[in-house]
Amino acid sequence: NAGVTQTPKFRVLKTGQSMTLLCAQDMNHEYMYWYRQDPGMGLRLIHYSVGEGTTAKGEVPDGYNVSRLKKQNFLLGLESAAPSQTSVYFCASRSNRGREEDTQYFGPGTRLTVL
Amino acid sequence: QKEVEQDPGPLSVPEGAIVSLNCTYSNSAFQYFMWYRQYSRKGPELLMYTYSSGNKEDGRFTAQVDKSSKYISLFIRDSQPSDSATYLCAMKDDRGSTLGRLYFGRGTQLTVWP
Repeated sequence: NAGVTQTPKFRVLKTGQSMTLLCAQDMNHEYMYWYRQDPGMGLRLIHYSVGEGTTAKGEVPDGYNVSRLKKQNFLLGLESAAPSQTSVYFCASRSNRGREEDTQYFGPGTRLTVL
Repeated sequence: QKEVEQDPGPLSVPEGAIVSLNCTYSNSAFQYFMWYRQYSRKGPELLMYTYSSGNKEDGRFTAQVDKSSKYISLFIRDSQPSDSATYLCAMKDDRGSTLGRLYFGRGTQLTVWP
């Protein structure tokens, strides 16, 4: 049981390049989330998904797109990377069993640098 | 004003000390309160979970919630070097429409030196 995995672990992009971050979970969770973490800013929600084929905007969605074609995968795309998108990106997933104490499980993160 | 405020520290204590970490919040609808621990270059992991007001104890860790003051705390007794990490508070409200969205504090960086 791998939990939540993220690919790649590190990436360096030039301004204007595009890339896709992949998140995969093997816990059969309905909910999945993408966060970014910046020094002094904590975790900020970018986009989230409540099930296969559905996505919604979070707190800081601009410059990002997401897709959830399969229940176990949640992709985060940067169409035209900007230096302001230099950050550590975390994916998380959560069950929808209806128990409020259900926690979010986080992946190990992707460190992205945009030059 | 952010909905959740947390002093980022850093906090440095000797081994064996009692550590107190705190967060304040402004949204009175928050009902569920969590503490996540994040080791360097790792993802956050859930440490403690509390519903509404009161105390919860788990080994050396105690979480307290005071909803009247909108204030939550995490106490670590007999702190160990292995407790060195960033501690993030998180909370959510009880409205189903928010779909379990968590509101995080900025995190407090803790170092416990031997």
